[in-house]
Amino acid sequence: EAGVTQFPSHSVIEKGQTVTLRCDPISGHDNLYWYRRVMGKEIKFLLHFVKESKQDESGMPNNRFLAERTGGTYSTLKVQPAELEDSGVYLCASSQLVFWGNTEAFFGQGTRLTVV
Amino acid sequence: TQLLEQSPQFLSIQEGENLTVYCNSSSVFSSLQWYRQEPGEGPVLLVTVVTGGEVKKLKRLTFQFGDARKDSSLHITAAQPGDTGLYLCAGAFSGGSNYKLTFGKGTLLTVNP
Repeated sequence: EAGVTQFPSHSVIEKGQTVTLRCDPISGHDNLYWYRRVMGKEIKFLLHFVKESKQDESGMPNNRFLAERTGGTYSTLKVQPAELEDSGVYLCASSQLVFWGNTEAFFGQGTRLTVV
Repeated sequence: TQLLEQSPQFLSIQEGENLTVYCNSSSVFSSLQWYRQEPGEGPVLLVTVVTGGEVKKLKRLTFQFGDARKDSSLHITAAQPGDTGLYLCAGAFSGGSNYKLTFGKGTLLTVNP
């Protein structure tokens, strides 16, 4: 069975450009999460989807970030326009359940975004 | 803001040595997980602890959850080069959003042959 897949693995864009990251969760996982790790900092929660609905987007930095999950399958995270401080590794995870006591998050390999 | 302090951040040891990584918070966890991440890959779950005082073993790795569920430790016995990697603790806090994991900064472990 395929794991969580993220595209692209790396992206280098100029400040002001737009970038769209994609995440394909494990089939059947209703819960999809986006996290981000900025250099030198801890991995931070961005948002959580249950199927196609945004359960919690409290971690989204600002309105330059837009996440979608049409049809409850894959998800995209668009950054428009990108700023230098958006650089980091964007991790996507999926899980069957939401209670971490009896489920696990399966993470993708991440997308390393560099804004120059 | 609920924080999760992980220490040490970096650890370089010789093969065969023992080590302990710590994860602490001032808040109570409803559950805590330890992940391991290798370069170019996402974190992979090692263990989940839920009950205060719980101890779990995974081969040479021993995980403990504090009685008050505010801290946890990972102990590796007789470390091997294959143990090299980034170890992350991640917790879901009681009373908060259980679906939101809070991560420590991680411990980058290097085991030299």
